[in-house]
Amino acid sequence: GAGVSQSPSNKVTEKGKDVELRCDPISGHTALYWYRQSLGQGLEFLIYFQGNSAPDKSGLPSDRFSAERTGGSVSTLTIQRTQQEDSAVYLCASSLTGGADNYGYTFGSGTRLTVV
Amino acid sequence: GDSVTQMEGPVTLSEEAFLTINCTYTATGYPSLFWYVQYPGEGLQLLLKATKADDKGSNKGFEATYRKETTSFHLEKGSVQVSDSAVYFCARSNQGAQKLVFGQGTRLTINP
Repeated sequence: GAGVSQSPSNKVTEKGKDVELRCDPISGHTALYWYRQSLGQGLEFLIYFQGNSAPDKSGLPSDRFSAERTGGSVSTLTIQRTQQEDSAVYLCASSLTGGADNYGYTFGSGTRLTVV
Repeated sequence: GDSVTQMEGPVTLSEEAFLTINCTYTATGYPSLFWYVQYPGEGLQLLLKATKADDKGSNKGFEATYRKETTSFHLEKGSVQVSDSAVYFCARSNQGAQKLVFGQGTRLTINP
């Protein structure tokens, strides 16, 4: 597609429920990133994919968080048993090769998750 | 580890004022440095970048110079406009150059 597409744009869920957030990167981009932006905070790195594998998942805050990528394209971030502290904007970005030096990232508009 | 520290916000200026938003980074490896901008209701966009010491990135009247001696990448603009109101993020590549590490963001508001 022309840009990075994320869905849903907004999600309100009850504490304890599971949620899935979807990211559709730019066609041909091999690298895909998930970040979290909490109110008043910077961007917190969650996980990085190169193709379908995740060489760096160091930012996932707990084992309730998981992500996968299939076909070198769409990625899903899953949060199980959501807690109120999970409320944030979840941002996805893609990059042509994953070399942050040369190409930078293209970001999606994010999914705003609210846990009530 | 790799980190970025930005000037605390929010910053409020009048139109045509001079802007500086300070950014410093940890001096590990040879990072590339970036400024991203997030306009209200939109996603983050790359504003400018610099890949080595003494490089100057520029775009839309904004400039930032990669200063290795002071580990800084301050964002400047000579005359701001209301349309520059946004949140600005400084970032560096990590040592493996596989991901970006972001600062906390600085909210800028320009009043007419």
